[in-house]
Amino acid sequence: DTAVSQTPKYLVTQMGNDKSIKCEQNLGHDTMYWYKQDSKKFLKIMFSYNNKELIINETVPNRFSPKSPDKAHLNLHINSLELGDSAVYFCASSQGMELEAFFGQGTRLTVV
Amino acid sequence: AQSVTQLGSHVSVSEGALVLLRCNYSSSVPPYLFWYVQYPNQGLQLLLKYTSAATLVKGINGFEAEFKKSETSFHLTNPSAHMSDAAEYFCAVRNSGGYNKLIFGAGTRLAVHP
Repeated sequence: DTAVSQTPKYLVTQMGNDKSIKCEQNLGHDTMYWYKQDSKKFLKIMFSYNNKELIINETVPNRFSPKSPDKAHLNLHINSLELGDSAVYFCASSQGMELEAFFGQGTRLTVV
Repeated sequence: AQSVTQLGSHVSVSEGALVLLRCNYSSSVPPYLFWYVQYPNQGLQLLLKYTSAATLVKGINGFEAEFKKSETSFHLTNPSAHMSDAAEYFCAVRNSGGYNKLIFGAGTRLAVHP
């Protein structure tokens, strides 16, 4: 009964590859997010979708493309992976303008 | 623009001792503030939030935080540390724009020793 679930939890891949991370929430929320946590544990928002519409896009390279097929899902596709993309990626959700976001367990991406 | 500063990237306390994790914020409007905890290899879990109601906010696991506007602070405390409290703690402020976006501090790692 995990509220926000991400797959995979770990992802190791070579430079230049394309990969996707999937996120699903069963909280009935209408807003979903992707956050990136770098090696120094710093967290920064990347994208946000509200009712499948992109509402936040924070200076992220075009190689990153989020897709929201429905309100319960937000996937992150990354093209041409680079070493600097190595990080932990967190999916989160919230209900509209309600304040707290619920986070998934994270996906640790390692690019070699 | 909002920002959050957490003083002390590492804090170490003895089991049973007082925990104090510092957070100062910058905001041009009344802020909404949060503390999240991240246990090793886990996601973020909300500890507590301030939303302009009571200035002393109680959260889970015995944690509480006090909003002090004059000091632009939202420090997190726990009167008695447990070994299980060892984790990374993040202070965050919600942006004042139209969309719900959290701006995080750099985090404070809490170590609890016997």
